[in-house]
Amino acid sequence: QKEVEQDPGPLSVPEGAIVSLNCTYSNSAFQYFMWYRQYSRKGPELLMYTYSSGNKEDGRFTAQVDKSSKYISLFIRDSQPSDSATYLCAMKVGEGNKLVFGAGTILRVKS
Amino acid sequence: DVKVTQSSRYLVKRTGEKVFLECVQDMDHENMFWYRQDPGLGLRLIYFSYDVKMKEKGDIPEGYSVSREKKERFSLILESASTNQTSMYLCASRLAGGKTQYFGPGTRLLVL
Repeated sequence: QKEVEQDPGPLSVPEGAIVSLNCTYSNSAFQYFMWYRQYSRKGPELLMYTYSSGNKEDGRFTAQVDKSSKYISLFIRDSQPSDSATYLCAMKVGEGNKLVFGAGTILRVKS
Repeated sequence: DVKVTQSSRYLVKRTGEKVFLECVQDMDHENMFWYRQDPGLGLRLIYFSYDVKMKEKGDIPEGYSVSREKKERFSLILESASTNQTSMYLCASRLAGGKTQYFGPGTRLLVL
């Protein structure tokens, strides 16, 4: 079983929809949770960074962590065609160097 | 502006060849990383370097080696390329203790 599970999609939604992307994990020691966005033929870029449980909002994006359920989510409000990309969750234990990534979910927002 | 560059976007090599992938960052970051990205598997860490001449194995170091002689440059070496090393290779850098890893655009390697 993988440490981090993420549905690869693709997830196809109409413009303006609310998008929910999710990851589950098995290692209860993870403390730091990230979402990266990767456009086609580009490297990933950090979108959201959260520590421990709770919500964090940044514009149209909200990251949610539920440590009791070992479940993290990324919500995108008012989705745009420019949001079409692969979204990767990542997490790590403490201040260590090693990130553990999910497989990535392909999102397509249709205009 | 943050910049991580990789020497090639696409590379085609033959089985048994020695392959060098180069990564350069201009941010004076201490930490540098090499990942490979495969469909359904996400990014897996091959090696990382926490400073010049320092390196540590990641999750899948077999068949790879690395070199970090200068702070800005981190090289990944495939000693004898094999077809199962066909993949997308991503380099990243990070300030020591920083939150963010900055990624390069990737090198898509095909081993025939």
